[in-house]
Amino acid sequence: DVKVTQSSRYLVKRTGEKVFLECVQDMDHENMFWYRQDPGLGLRLIYFSYDVKMKEKGDIPEGYSVSREKKERFSLILESASTNQTSMYLCASSPLGQPQHFGDGTRLSIL
Amino acid sequence: ELKVEQNPLFLSMQEGKNYTIYCNYSTTSDRLYWYRQDPGKSLESLFVLLSNGAVKQEGRLMASLDTKARLSTLHITAAVHDLSATYFCAVDTKYGGSQGNLIFGKGTKLSVKP
Repeated sequence: DVKVTQSSRYLVKRTGEKVFLECVQDMDHENMFWYRQDPGLGLRLIYFSYDVKMKEKGDIPEGYSVSREKKERFSLILESASTNQTSMYLCASSPLGQPQHFGDGTRLSIL
Repeated sequence: ELKVEQNPLFLSMQEGKNYTIYCNYSTTSDRLYWYRQDPGKSLESLFVLLSNGAVKQEGRLMASLDTKARLSTLHITAAVHDLSATYFCAVDTKYGGSQGNLIFGKGTKLSVKP
């Protein structure tokens, strides 16, 4: 079974902090993705990566950056957290053209 | 810009009834996915539809794809309480090959009542 592991289920941070969300997959997938999920808005793509050190902006990249130094790990960074970044964050991975496998999500609260 | 619209967004059904969820998308694509999400849980892949006329069935759920109409449907037959969840369709942004970038609909929250 594919395993996508997100480092935290729940996280509380303060405004202005630099926040790191980590995601690891164990199936050697090329593609990895970061989404945020908000009520009434569905899933929105923040960034994705189709190879090590490669990244592409999604629909809502502002205020975020990413890092993919190793194939199995994709990190999402909130450079200076703000309250409007309070959300559920979902990481996913997939081989090319195949369904994405999602992690359990990180519910992030910015106070 | 690819847009994906699902309807209805909320659906309350009685057990034993049939219903259909619709997923419309705005530009050409040949790959569509359906996912299920239970409350507090992550997304689980249900179906991948790869070509015009594709039909997939699993238990009481059947999904179909009409690429010419840019429409996919998820049909529920004889609903049971265990099907209560939020269902998302997602469309691949690249036509004629895939780079795996999906645009998701807003989801349909299904509640099946006795």
